[in-house]
Amino acid sequence: DVQLVESGGGLVKPGGSLRLSCVVSGFPFSNAWINWVRQAPGKGLEWVGRIKSKGDGGTTHYAAPVKGRFTISRDDSRNTLYLHMNSLKIEDTGVYYCSTEVGLYWGQGTLVTVSS
Amino acid sequence: EIVLTQSPATLSLSPGERVTLSCRASQSVGSYLAWYQQKPGQAPRLLIYDASSRASGIPARFSGSGSGTDFTLTISSLEPEDFAVYYCQQRSDWPPYTFGQGTKLEIK
Repeated sequence: DVQLVESGGGLVKPGGSLRLSCVVSGFPFSNAWINWVRQAPGKGLEWVGRIKSKGDGGTTHYAAPVKGRFTISRDDSRNTLYLHMNSLKIEDTGVYYCSTEVGLYWGQGTLVTVSS
Repeated sequence: EIVLTQSPATLSLSPGERVTLSCRASQSVGSYLAWYQQKPGQAPRLLIYDASSRASGIPARFSGSGSGTDFTLTISSLEPEDFAVYYCQQRSDWPPYTFGQGTKLEIK
């Protein structure tokens, strides 16, 4: 079975940092393009960013609200995707999901709360 | 950035009814449009990709159509489990892969 499992969420103060992880199993992770999507409490879905496979250049793209503050990386030896979040703002609060490129598979999400 | 506008924001219907949800893009996305269903406390579930292809395991009552800037998701006969929020998302040539704001389908 394909599984994506996020972790690393929690409570952080504005200006702080956090690293989320997404461990993937059940398909060849090294070939996969993976997205991060977030959802603020009671709000809609917001695409955060994407990383291509290393074979396709490993290129990353980000949404404007997070560009320059968030970085996506991957460790193919660990089947793990990371979302490094710096200079966190209150408006970054929400559930963060990792998903495959076409959106067929999603993790269960991890909650990030930015509050003083 | 491509903006997706979904309509209506909320729809109140009864089981057994037919429903059509709309998603309009601010510029052409070709056929690179997907539809998701999300229930409270759950991750989104892919229903339709590439505008009209049903994802694996999705019932035949769900269908998608459209291309360019205008897209629709149709549920031919609502089941009780279909009451949820529906989002469209575009994956055209270049990120960001924006989502629509969602349509909430509620029981009348």
